[in-house]
Amino acid sequence: NAGVTQTPKFQVLKTGQSMTLQCAQDMNHNSMYWYRQDPGMGLRLIYYSASEGTTDKGEVPNGYNVSRLNKREFSLRLESAAPSQTSVYFCASSEDLPGGLEGHFGDGTRLSIL
Amino acid sequence: AQTVTQSQPEMSVQEAETVTLSCTYDTSESNYYLFWYKQPPSRQMILVIRQEAYKQQNATENRFSVNFQKAAKSFSLKISDSQLGDTAMYFCAFRSNNNDMRFGAGTRLTVKP
Repeated sequence: NAGVTQTPKFQVLKTGQSMTLQCAQDMNHNSMYWYRQDPGMGLRLIYYSASEGTTDKGEVPNGYNVSRLNKREFSLRLESAAPSQTSVYFCASSEDLPGGLEGHFGDGTRLSIL
Repeated sequence: AQTVTQSQPEMSVQEAETVTLSCTYDTSESNYYLFWYKQPPSRQMILVIRQEAYKQQNATENRFSVNFQKAAKSFSLKISDSQLGDTAMYFCAFRSNNNDMRFGAGTRLTVKP
């Protein structure tokens, strides 16, 4: 009963390096999301995907790209990491109607950019 | 785009007392979904309660209940008989019909013994 799995759990990058955060869900959900959470703040939506093959920008998409590889997987890429992207990143998935619609979250990836 | 506002950065309550956390949102949609999540120090995001906007009846889950005022775009969470394990960050969330899901900035709740 894995739910939403994020890899890696921790990562340190240097400014300018690239990195892909991986997310996979085994609940057959259509919708998937990437959020970032900065210290003492709420979750801000980076990108989401309402179904396989579609992606949409959220509140803070600049500096990120995403790929909905298939129904299970939704990856987040930082092409040229910047210190402002130091954060905890959460992936989530959710059912569609008539399901509960709430988000099921991974455990987060703590990313530090030096 | 929808916005979610939680105006109380921090709250505290005595054990066994009742506390209410506030949330307001802004949307032009008529049908949507609202949630409260709890985030303990472990950083896990745990669903507390959900409310469908088309339902007039307020949702209840054991000690947790909501006061949903659609016209006022208000969605407050009431925690009764507060327990030490309720200490956490609480986030209000809004999900639109196009599956966009946004969160408020959170309220840090401390339950005091």
